[in-house]
Amino acid sequence: DGGITQSPKYLFRKEGQNVTLSCEQNLNHDAMYWYRQDPGQGLRLIYYSQIVNDFQKGDIAEGYSVSREKKESFPLTVTSAQKNPTAFYLCASSIGSGFRETQYFGPGTRLLVL
Amino acid sequence: RKEVEQDPGPFNVPEGATVAFNCTYSNSASQSFFWYRQDCRKEPKLLMSVYSSGNEDGRFTAQLNRASQYISLLIRDSKLSDSATYLCVVSRWGLTGGGNKLTFGTGTQLKVEL
Repeated sequence: DGGITQSPKYLFRKEGQNVTLSCEQNLNHDAMYWYRQDPGQGLRLIYYSQIVNDFQKGDIAEGYSVSREKKESFPLTVTSAQKNPTAFYLCASSIGSGFRETQYFGPGTRLLVL
Repeated sequence: RKEVEQDPGPFNVPEGATVAFNCTYSNSASQSFFWYRQDCRKEPKLLMSVYSSGNEDGRFTAQLNRASQYISLLIRDSKLSDSATYLCVVSRWGLTGGGNKLTFGTGTQLKVEL
């Protein structure tokens, strides 16, 4: 069954703690993305990766880090430097090229600060 | 001015009604346009892609007006199951390393009632 999986569904972070959100896809998509969604705001791009072993900062990368060691996996670490981490985190991967590139989303991880 | 603007609603309509949402965008370099549907506390799911003047899929019709820089979504014969938030998404080439940058509207909430 092909798709994008994210875990955990809910994550609680203590002050000063780093936490890692998992994103896995078995769609053979090259490009993967991380967004965060806050109430009343559109999704904002954190990091993206077009190919394995390469990734780029998005619009709000401060306080986050990523890796792309495998095509299927694109984990996001929320570091203690991220002062307002409470949000809904969405991972996406894309198919197609040029103007026909289309992104599909995983089910999301909701991060809460204790 | 936001790059993508939508009326947040909510639009409360009776079952069977026709409802239309508008979305305006500010960047004339935008190439592709999408409507995603997002249920409460779930991930966005692709509803329609629009590359030229419009697209139709069953009860859903999307229209693009490049001159006026707006996209519309028309839903005919509304069902209770259409209740959700509809996200307008605009895409343009321009990510570092290649790829398309998506800009998300904040969404229009639809409630279909008996």
